[in-house]
Amino acid sequence: QVTLRESGPALVKPTQTLTLTCTFSGFSLSTGGMCMSWIRQPPGKALEWLARIDWDDDKYYSTSLKTRLTISKDTSKNQVVLTMTNMDPVDTATYYCARTKTYYYDGSGYQYYFDYWGQGTLVTVSS
Amino acid sequence: QSVLTQPPSVSGAPGQRVTISCTGSSSNIGAGYDVHWYQQLPGTAPKLLIYGNNNRPSGVPDRFSGSKSGTSASLAITGLQAEDEADYYCQSYDSSLSGWVFGGGTKLTVL
Repeated sequence: QVTLRESGPALVKPTQTLTLTCTFSGFSLSTGGMCMSWIRQPPGKALEWLARIDWDDDKYYSTSLKTRLTISKDTSKNQVVLTMTNMDPVDTATYYCARTKTYYYDGSGYQYYFDYWGQGTLVTVSS
Repeated sequence: QSVLTQPPSVSGAPGQRVTISCTGSSSNIGAGYDVHWYQQLPGTAPKLLIYGNNNRPSGVPDRFSGSKSGTSASLAITGLQAEDEADYYCQSYDSSLSGWVFGGGTKLTVL
């Protein structure tokens, strides 16, 4: 049974750094082809992909946020961590971690989708 | 402004069929990248509904189906039920942005 749970502060001040941890079970991030992503959703708005880390430690970031994001993993603890610097009120959102599955099609290459999600953690940025 | 365009809302009566469109461009759906769909019930996390354009994960009723053509994709829901009332999101990859993108979401109301 796959489960994921996000943890971190519910409130951060502007300019502070946010650190979120995703603790998961039911699979290993050291297994070939396994990936994990962070996705956020401002209140009443759409989903936004933030970052992905792969089993081989390759990392990918949203181009609009890459200067502020760092994703890392601790395979022994089954955890993935996201840090976001210089937080602003517009970063107020529910942050989700999601297991990311991949498959390959000739011609269109590797495809990715999010098959299991955590419950999400609401982060409010306010002074 | 989302890269993938969805209608803000759709509605239907119980038992009816509804479709939700997801319109992209030549840098995402039109480039051959697959479309995946998620259902978000009120106050909960998104749940995978369709992957790879038209594949249902185990446990998803066959009332849900997906299709893709050109630069667009669609989610169809037949035999509409009250518990289908939720927000629905499409997702793909965009080569211009070098990242994974979502549609703006569609709120389904069961009348």
